[in-house]
Amino acid sequence: NAGVTQTPKFQVLKTGQSMTLQCAQDMNHNSMYWYRQDPGMGLRLIYYSASEGTTDKGEVPNGYNVSRLNKREFSLRLESAAPSQTSVYFCASSEVSAGGLEQYFGPGTRLTVT
Amino acid sequence: SQKIEQNSEALNIQEGKTATLTCNYTNYSPAYLQWYRQDPGRGPVFLLLIRENEKEKRKERLKVTFDTTLKQSLFHITASQPADSATYLCALPQSGGSYIPTFGRGTSLIVHP
Repeated sequence: NAGVTQTPKFQVLKTGQSMTLQCAQDMNHNSMYWYRQDPGMGLRLIYYSASEGTTDKGEVPNGYNVSRLNKREFSLRLESAAPSQTSVYFCASSEVSAGGLEQYFGPGTRLTVT
Repeated sequence: SQKIEQNSEALNIQEGKTATLTCNYTNYSPAYLQWYRQDPGRGPVFLLLIRENEKEKRKERLKVTFDTTLKQSLFHITASQPADSATYLCALPQSGGSYIPTFGRGTSLIVHP
């Protein structure tokens, strides 16, 4: 039982390049989330998916797109990376429908945009 | 939306003492509140959830209180150990009826041997 996995662990991009961050969970959770964490800013929600087939914007969605590929996988895409997107990105999952309010986080992807 | 305040200054304590971290919130009173632990370079890990009708919740050396009048939660670690050194995050629902949490910025705890 790996929990929530994220790839890659580290990435350096040049401004304007694109990339996709991958996230998968093996806990059969319905809800999945993407956060970014910056020094002094805490965790901020980018997008979330309440269940397979649905996605919604969070607090800071600009510059990002997401895909809920299936129940297990939720990817985050940066179409044209900007230095302001340098951050640590965390994926999380939860099973709200079963009363599980706690979130399970992946190890994070450290992204630097130069 | 909810605004959460956690002490941005690190809390330094001696091993064996009780650490107490504070989480204050504004706006509406949430139905529950969560505490997470985050180690450097890792994702947050869920510790405890306390509901609005619970004044106190315990798990091993951890204790959480929830005072809806003061709009405050206190997180205690008794008999603290150097291994307890980490950043502790408080999280509350974004708004009434929401299951999506808003996280505080966290307080760093450093336990000295």
